[in-house]
Amino acid sequence: GAGVSQTPSNKVTEKGKYVELRCDPISGHTALYWYRQSLGQGPEFLIYFQGTGAADDSGLPNDRFFAVRPEGSVSTLKIQRTERGDSAVYLCASSLAGESDTQYFGPGTRLTVL
Amino acid sequence: GQNIDQPTEMTATEGAIVQINCTYQTSGFNGLFWYQQHAGEAPTFLSYNVLDGLEEKGRFSSFLSRSKGYSYLLLKELQMKDSASYLCAVRGKGNYGQNFVFGPGTRLSVLP
Repeated sequence: GAGVSQTPSNKVTEKGKYVELRCDPISGHTALYWYRQSLGQGPEFLIYFQGTGAADDSGLPNDRFFAVRPEGSVSTLKIQRTERGDSAVYLCASSLAGESDTQYFGPGTRLTVL
Repeated sequence: GQNIDQPTEMTATEGAIVQINCTYQTSGFNGLFWYQQHAGEAPTFLSYNVLDGLEEKGRFSSFLSRSKGYSYLLLKELQMKDSASYLCAVRGKGNYGQNFVFGPGTRLSVLP
């Protein structure tokens, strides 16, 4: 079946602009995670959804970052007033939230803030 | 706090065996995962350990010692395509649910 998909694959924006990044999880997966990854680093946790609610948003760096999952499937990560330091690959993952809770990752969105 | 350590880089020869170590200190423990990530691609799941001991899956095996906060990934019969970063991740317990903490990754280069 289809895996996790993310759009756009690449996004270039200017400092101060607003961006939205979209994630389509694997059908039936109730858990959804957002991470960001800088070059040479491991993914950094941002937020975790269980269904429609954000079960853990402790990784969001500040109030410029916000994420929603209104129908418990597709999720959108929103970044306001982008800064050059926001440049990274933003990864989305989903899982069944079962006992082993294996996460399956999407290809990521590479965000570049000029 | 949460901290995960892995060697930054390793080099091995095609056909050999390599062991990638991971040590962790986390608030709560609910499983340890290994992922493989080729350059420019998403991480892909390799293995999961929640109890002490060795889990074998083909050429890859993963070991866990919870009392020592230690795991390793063992790759046998190395192939050129195994050149990638290997990420250790620990599932802990956050205030409102679960979260994953990834280590920085170990970049493995397999040489002919």
